[in-house]
Amino acid sequence: EAGVAQSPRYKIIEKRQSVAFWCNPISGHATLYWYQQILGQGPKLLIQFQNNGVVDDSQLPKDRFSAERLKGVDSTLKIQPAKLEDSAVYLCASSGRTSGGANEQFFGPGTRLTVL
Amino acid sequence: DQQVKQNSPSLSVQEGRISILNCDYTNSMFDYFLWYKKYPAEGPTFLISISSIKDKNEDGRFTVFLNKSAKHLSLHIVPSQPGDSAVYFCAATFRGTASKLTFGTGTRLQVTL
Repeated sequence: EAGVAQSPRYKIIEKRQSVAFWCNPISGHATLYWYQQILGQGPKLLIQFQNNGVVDDSQLPKDRFSAERLKGVDSTLKIQPAKLEDSAVYLCASSGRTSGGANEQFFGPGTRLTVL
Repeated sequence: DQQVKQNSPSLSVQEGRISILNCDYTNSMFDYFLWYKKYPAEGPTFLISISSIKDKNEDGRFTVFLNKSAKHLSLHIVPSQPGDSAVYFCAATFRGTASKLTFGTGTRLQVTL
């Protein structure tokens, strides 16, 4: 079974530029998550999709961040314009049918963003 | 507001010994807890979980203990192996729903020879 794919793996941009990240979840997984992990911290949820609908975007800085999952499969996360504090690893995760109450999320390798 | 806390940023243990990683949470509504392991340049991978209706779950060398009254859980690795060297994240969520995970800040475990 193929895992969660993300691209690019690394990105360096200057502040005020825009950037986009792509995620392809595990086939058949209805739920897709984008997390931001700042150095020294745990991952923090930015947005959660159930198929192509948004379930939770309460912690997404909507003035600069946007995300979409138009066909309910892959997803893109965009930052425009980027700030220095956006430097982080952006992790995509997906989950399928919950089993026995487990909410096991499968994570991609992440995209490391550096904003100069 | 840090709802899930891992107060030890790092831990060093000798190969063959027991590693104990601790986690505390503040939100009593959490009823499902997970441990993830993360190697450099990789995403976190699921390790073991426990429901709030249990106080212990075991999977091979890994055991998670939950003390609900103290809002505390711990991960025991016995015996520790060099390949266990990684960052371990504790996460909490709500059972039965595809809800978000709230992560701690992680503990870096180093298993020495």
